[in-house]
Amino acid sequence: TQLLEQSPQFLSIQEGENLTVYCNSSSVFSSLQWYRQEPGEGPVLLVTVVTGGEVKKLKRLTFQFGDARKDSSLHITAAQPGDTGLYLCAGGDRGSTLGRLYFGRGTQLTVWP
Amino acid sequence: NAGVTQTPKFRVLKTGQSMTLLCAQDMNHEYMYWYRQDPGMGLRLIHYSVGEGTTAKGEVPDGYNVSRLKKQNFLLGLESAAPSQTSVYFCASSIQGFRNQPQHFGDGTRLSIL
Repeated sequence: TQLLEQSPQFLSIQEGENLTVYCNSSSVFSSLQWYRQEPGEGPVLLVTVVTGGEVKKLKRLTFQFGDARKDSSLHITAAQPGDTGLYLCAGGDRGSTLGRLYFGRGTQLTVWP
Repeated sequence: NAGVTQTPKFRVLKTGQSMTLLCAQDMNHEYMYWYRQDPGMGLRLIHYSVGEGTTAKGEVPDGYNVSRLKKQNFLLGLESAAPSQTSVYFCASSIQGFRNQPQHFGDGTRLSIL
């Protein structure tokens, strides 16, 4: 069973378009982290959101944590080919294992010039 | 500062062979993790360690063993490799005792079992 459901699984768009990736769960998390992974490399952290309703911006990327801390979204404005990659969301464990994360299956984004 | 280093980067095994994947981190992190990544499946936790000498099972531990004899190293062993273990394996580490800390990943080991 997948704790975190990401959608869409694949996204192929033209440069300059906007897009939103969703990460949903029925479970409450201590935090939601977003990672980006490029081919042949490990995931790299983009952002961590901790408080319900929190919004964080990273240049053209906007991340939001749901009020109930069960879901999150990533919005990219005016996508560029350099945004191409696999985007992974990960929920932080609320239990005793402080460092453990539960990953979604990822959204593969391709931005064409 | 190398961060998290995984060796080897690529390996091909025959069914039934054994091997050990090595993960080394130089950030003095307490927590270390082994994941496998398969197409469309995201990252699935195999085993993890919250400190030297301690290990615990993750979501998909069957067929794997681990050891954490030194704080900086986390070893993943396959005793008798099976084709279902063909995957990309990632090691990660994080700082101790703080919730919501990021995990730092190596660049993966691509393993094929024939």
